[in-house]
Amino acid sequence: SAVISQKPSRDICQRGTSLTIQCQVDSQVTMMFWYRQQPGQSLTLIATANQGSEATYESGFVIDKFPISRPNLTFSTLTVSNMSPEDSSIYLCSVVGRRNNEQFFGPGTRLTVL
Amino acid sequence: KQEVTQIPAALSVPEGENLVLNCSFTDSAIYNLQWFRQDPGKGLTSLLLIQSSQREQTSGRLNASLDKSSGRSTLYIAASQPGDSATYLCAVEFPGGSEKLVFGKGTKLTVNP
Repeated sequence: SAVISQKPSRDICQRGTSLTIQCQVDSQVTMMFWYRQQPGQSLTLIATANQGSEATYESGFVIDKFPISRPNLTFSTLTVSNMSPEDSSIYLCSVVGRRNNEQFFGPGTRLTVL
Repeated sequence: KQEVTQIPAALSVPEGENLVLNCSFTDSAIYNLQWFRQDPGKGLTSLLLIQSSQREQTSGRLNASLDKSSGRSTLYIAASQPGDSATYLCAVEFPGGSEKLVFGKGTKLTVNP
């Protein structure tokens, strides 16, 4: 399995500001994903973080709101821009393991926007 | 539309009871199905992965089955313990999805001592 860390683990932010979340993996992986889990809801995929090219966004999510970087095969960042209270969620990164396409998730970043 | 449904939404059982969590999905042509556990405010822990060619997987007291033709999976937990209390999520990788997972809303399990 892959060991994934995220920073920060939680944050409380003011409306209109931006927060960058980091995801670090202990091994090189091809596929990295960013998910959002709104309060009381299940996970929704925001985008696939592609190494060396732009991220691929799901319907309803745009690069201006959620810019993503993937500078190498072990690291990615997700920025939540111009935040509003509706952005209060847990943000999770995940990777696909080398065996059997099993996915592993980071511990999540709990974001509260006031 | 590719969807995953989990029932019940919540389940409360006494310690020691065997229980079954259900997951159903549209489109029987799946690549794989994965069961996760999520503790409050935490990330996801992978429990079991079932490939499309498999019918079941076992890990300790957990057994997951897959019936693609009926679009169903079950997670069986034997001899439940209070430490099993968590939300259990079912997620499916559908064809053409580039390895992304579609999640159900989860079943919140409470095991009472």
